[in-house]
Amino acid sequence: ETGVTQTPRHLVMGMTNKKSLKCEQHLGHNAMYWYKQSAKKPLELMFVYSLEERVENNSVPSRFSPECPNSSHLFLHLHTLQPEDSALYLCASSQEPVYNEQFFGPGTRLTVL
Amino acid sequence: GQQLNQSPQSMFIQEGEDVSMNCTSSSIFNTWLWYKQDPGEGPVLLIALYKAGELTSNGRLTAQFGITRKDSFLNISASIPSDVGIYFCAGHRGGSQGNLIFGKGTKLSVKP
Repeated sequence: ETGVTQTPRHLVMGMTNKKSLKCEQHLGHNAMYWYKQSAKKPLELMFVYSLEERVENNSVPSRFSPECPNSSHLFLHLHTLQPEDSALYLCASSQEPVYNEQFFGPGTRLTVL
Repeated sequence: GQQLNQSPQSMFIQEGEDVSMNCTSSSIFNTWLWYKQDPGEGPVLLIALYKAGELTSNGRLTAQFGITRKDSFLNISASIPSDVGIYFCAGHRGGSQGNLIFGKGTKLSVKP
């Protein structure tokens, strides 16, 4: 019970589809993160939002577009993905100043056909 | 970029045995964290370490922040079947938020 929820838990989409992943945190935190987890690779940080402003973007392709409308919600909009984008996408949150203690959601398992 | 070398990659142990795993880096970190991930779930924070030499316990789990600040260790005593999962170390350099660096994980299997 981490207090971070993600929907959907599983998503299968074609390369021409547009879809969105949703994350909601119920912990009162003020920073949220998107990570990509691929098999046999370390977690890769994609985006960081602090106080609803994007503060870090680790050179993620533009086919991934984040949105943070408020401190409790985070979206990842997906468009024209590639099969190699198939992975587990994890959302996390933390509270300033302890950005390093990040609490993760269960993830969305994405498959791109 | 920075990398964390986590070992072993996998472990197969008998219930009741103790477990040790470690993480090393060529760079200094200000914080070390240990997470556990169960199948189909996100990582769960187990222990956070903030000072070189610090030794912290969480039940049967004990983690240490290496003196050199370039390594960390996690020990699990008297393992039980529910300890099965993947354990990740993560390091934080300090400064700008969000830049946690993760290891590739240690997959633990426990035979009853």
